[in-house]
Amino acid sequence: SQTIHQWPATLVQPVGSPLSLECTVEGTSNPNLYWYRQAAGRGLQLLFYSVGIGQISSEVPQNLSASRPQDRQFILSSKKLLLSDSGFYLCACNRYNEQFFGPGTRLTVL
Amino acid sequence: AQSVTQLGSHVSVSEGALVLLRCNYSSSVPPYLFWYVQYPNQGLQLLLKYTSAATLVKGINGFEAEFKKSETSFHLTKPSAHMSDAAEYFCAVSDQDSSYKLIFGSGTRLLVRP
Repeated sequence: SQTIHQWPATLVQPVGSPLSLECTVEGTSNPNLYWYRQAAGRGLQLLFYSVGIGQISSEVPQNLSASRPQDRQFILSSKKLLLSDSGFYLCACNRYNEQFFGPGTRLTVL
Repeated sequence: AQSVTQLGSHVSVSEGALVLLRCNYSSSVPPYLFWYVQYPNQGLQLLLKYTSAATLVKGINGFEAEFKKSETSFHLTKPSAHMSDAAEYFCAVSDQDSSYKLIFGSGTRLLVRP
């Protein structure tokens, strides 16, 4: 079965600083990969998804970008963080019509 | 466009009582539907899914959900609540294209009283 790793688990960053969150997947090949954000007290918003290496689809215009340099690696980045980027970021992969989620990264922008 | 509505941002039940969490969906094609549970500061765990087979779906931890096309509903139930069921629950609908994107409801926080 697949396992999703995310790091770091928590992160506190100042406004205007860069961001790099990493997600890696084990136990499956050529998965669809997803980045979601969960703001405090709110549901999950799909940010990006990828159906293959180098293929990124953005769901909402924002201050973030995503890249998929390897089959099982998905990276979420920002050049300059905003206060509104704070939240809980979840990576997910798809297998057999189900999405499996990683443990998440809690990002606080001060 | 697909959408999901979860009625009630908070539901409170007594331990041993019936749990009913409501989910209604909007979709122009037969959907795939999911219920996920999230414990504090953790990722989401799949409880159950509907993919156009049996309309009554049984999941983990004693939960089940019934797909009702006429009501466009997929409510989650459990006959007897346990303290460990206290968590946030999300209903989601999936695009049936190659992206398999999930559209989530806003979530329902289940509180279980002793």
